[in-house]
Amino acid sequence: EVQLAESGGGLVQPGGSLRLSCAASGFTFTTYWMSWVRQAPGQGLEWVANVNEDGGERYYVDSVRGRFTISRDNAKNALYLQMNSLRAEDTAVFYCVRGFDGKYAFDLWGQGTMVTVSS
Amino acid sequence: QSVLTQPPSASGTPGQTVTISCSGSSSNIGSNYIYWYQQIPGTAPKFLIYRNNQRPLGVPDRFSASKSGTSASLAISGLRSEDEADYYCAAWDDSLSGYVFGTGTRVIVL
Repeated sequence: EVQLAESGGGLVQPGGSLRLSCAASGFTFTTYWMSWVRQAPGQGLEWVANVNEDGGERYYVDSVRGRFTISRDNAKNALYLQMNSLRAEDTAVFYCVRGFDGKYAFDLWGQGTMVTVSS
Repeated sequence: QSVLTQPPSASGTPGQTVTISCSGSSSNIGSNYIYWYQQIPGTAPKFLIYRNNQRPLGVPDRFSASKSGTSASLAISGLRSEDEADYYCAAWDDSLSGYVFGTGTRVIVL
């Protein structure tokens, strides 16, 4: 079955760190751009970061650049998001998503993992 | 802050047609494809429209979309109760070097 499964969410204090993981299965992971998209409670969707097929090209939304790092391990069919210096406004459901048309869209979404930044 | 603007809500009765607008700029909609996503509350978003007006396999032809200049629209014809959801437009923004989503439109089936 084609799917994405996120893990690693939880409660963290402001200024803390968290690493999200996404396990991909059922498709050839190495041929797709991958991204993270988040959704704050009651709010809309916000793209966070993406990475190309070999990990050599990455883009970030301004609000997380310098704090978050997206990476992938093609041998493990895994995507990661290292989040440092977390802020209350980072509280959201984080979705792992597969790229479509390269980096231009997302055709497969995980179920999401909740990250709560609070003291 | 979203750079693609959508109306907060739209509504219709079963069988009617509802249209959702999406307004952007030359750096996003004006120079790149527009995509649409459907999100039923409490679930992950679903890929609905790609490359301005194409439907992925499995998406009913009741859903159609178009683009003109720096604006786009999504139409849902023959509205059904299961169409009640949030709809987001999205596009790559060349100026931001990032992906931008619209503000989202809640479709309500009366």
